[in-house]
Amino acid sequence: GAGVSQSPSNKVTEKGKDVELRCDPISGHTALYWYRQSLGQGLEFLIYFQGNSAPDKSGLPSDRFSAERTGGSVSTLTIQRTQQEDSAVYLCASSLVTWSNQPQHFGDGTRLSIL
Amino acid sequence: DQQVKQNSPSLSVQEGRISILNCDYTNSMFDYFLWYKKYPAEGPTFLISISSIKDKNEDGRFTVFLNKSAKHLSLHIVPSQPGDSAVYFCAASAKGIQGAQKLVFGQGTRLTINP
Repeated sequence: GAGVSQSPSNKVTEKGKDVELRCDPISGHTALYWYRQSLGQGLEFLIYFQGNSAPDKSGLPSDRFSAERTGGSVSTLTIQRTQQEDSAVYLCASSLVTWSNQPQHFGDGTRLSIL
Repeated sequence: DQQVKQNSPSLSVQEGRISILNCDYTNSMFDYFLWYKKYPAEGPTFLISISSIKDKNEDGRFTVFLNKSAKHLSLHIVPSQPGDSAVYFCAASAKGIQGAQKLVFGQGTRLTINP
């Protein structure tokens, strides 16, 4: 499809397990972002990748969270030793990067539930 | 410290009338502002944006106004339609060194259009 694709759409796992969330950005978009939305909260920035530059990890809440972007396209967000407070919708977005501001386009998210 | 605030959690408007959603920000470094619309179980959909060098941007039924001195922006929807019922998020960013921008979101306003 033409939009940002995320998988799985839903993930239920037990506390303490590791999870991997996947994001396929829009083709040609060099910037990729991860956000999360906890229940009743706004969207919270986690990390972004821009081309070959070092990622901006300033929003990651703990060292249990990490992300990779291989080949400048697909990205994986990994949460190790999950906790109940990690339950949220994890959203991925991508954008063009040009001399002018460009909007970010979002996928439908992965709803993560930690039991 | 919440840098982007949407003080109205909900708004109810009659079909055909104007809907006005408001947003305030505190960070004077923000130079790009966006509005997103979100339906349940879907990702945010980009609606309209405005750069800090402008004070108005219009796209069909949607107009965004920016008042930099007041650090305030608003989204006007006219005429309002039932399909406009959704949660609306205001977002802002300051351009990073790498060109990509992390968005800071408000908490959202739930708009309901009544027939």
